[in-house]
Amino acid sequence: DVKVTQSSRYLVKRTGEKVFLECVQDMDHENMFWYRQDPGLGLRLIYFSYDVKMKEKGDIPEGYSVSREKKERFSLILESASTNQTSMYLCASNPGGGDGNQPQHFGDGTRLSIL
Amino acid sequence: RKEVEQDPGPFNVPEGATVAFNCTYSNSASQSFFWYRQDCRKEPKLLMSVYSSGNEDGRFTAQLNRASQYISLLIRDSKLSDSATYLCVVNMGSSASKIIFGSGTRLSIRP
Repeated sequence: DVKVTQSSRYLVKRTGEKVFLECVQDMDHENMFWYRQDPGLGLRLIYFSYDVKMKEKGDIPEGYSVSREKKERFSLILESASTNQTSMYLCASNPGGGDGNQPQHFGDGTRLSIL
Repeated sequence: RKEVEQDPGPFNVPEGATVAFNCTYSNSASQSFFWYRQDCRKEPKLLMSVYSSGNEDGRFTAQLNRASQYISLLIRDSKLSDSATYLCVVNMGSSASKIIFGSGTRLSIRP
């Protein structure tokens, strides 16, 4: 069974802090994703990575950066946290090159609050 | 127009009923389709992929209509445990970054 693990279920940070969200998958998947989910807006893609050190902006990359130094780990960084980044953050992975025809597997999610 | 649209519901049906949801998508070149289920405050979990010829998994049947650009999910003999939000997911292109999620349809099964 695919396991996608996010480092924290709940996180509270202050405005202006630099925040790191970590995600690890154990199935040697090439693609990894970071989404945020807000009521009424559904899941929105922040960043996507298709290989080590490779990344692609999603729909809402502003205020975020990512790092993929190892295949199994994909980190999301909030450079200077703001209250409008309070949200549920979901990491996902799927196998196979750059095409998304395989279903994604999600981590448990991190509920982030910025005060 | 949204790229992937679902009726948000909520659908409130009695246990044992049959319920169906539709999901429309805007890009006729879309390549792959999925239904996910998401419980309150949990992550989405894959329910089933949707194949061109339609497919069934127990009480769940998924269909794809490319001509009208929609997919459907039918749940027969609904159980209390089927209460959840059902997300329609469409891959609209050749890149994994073109995977689009619908906003979800809420289903509530009452005893």
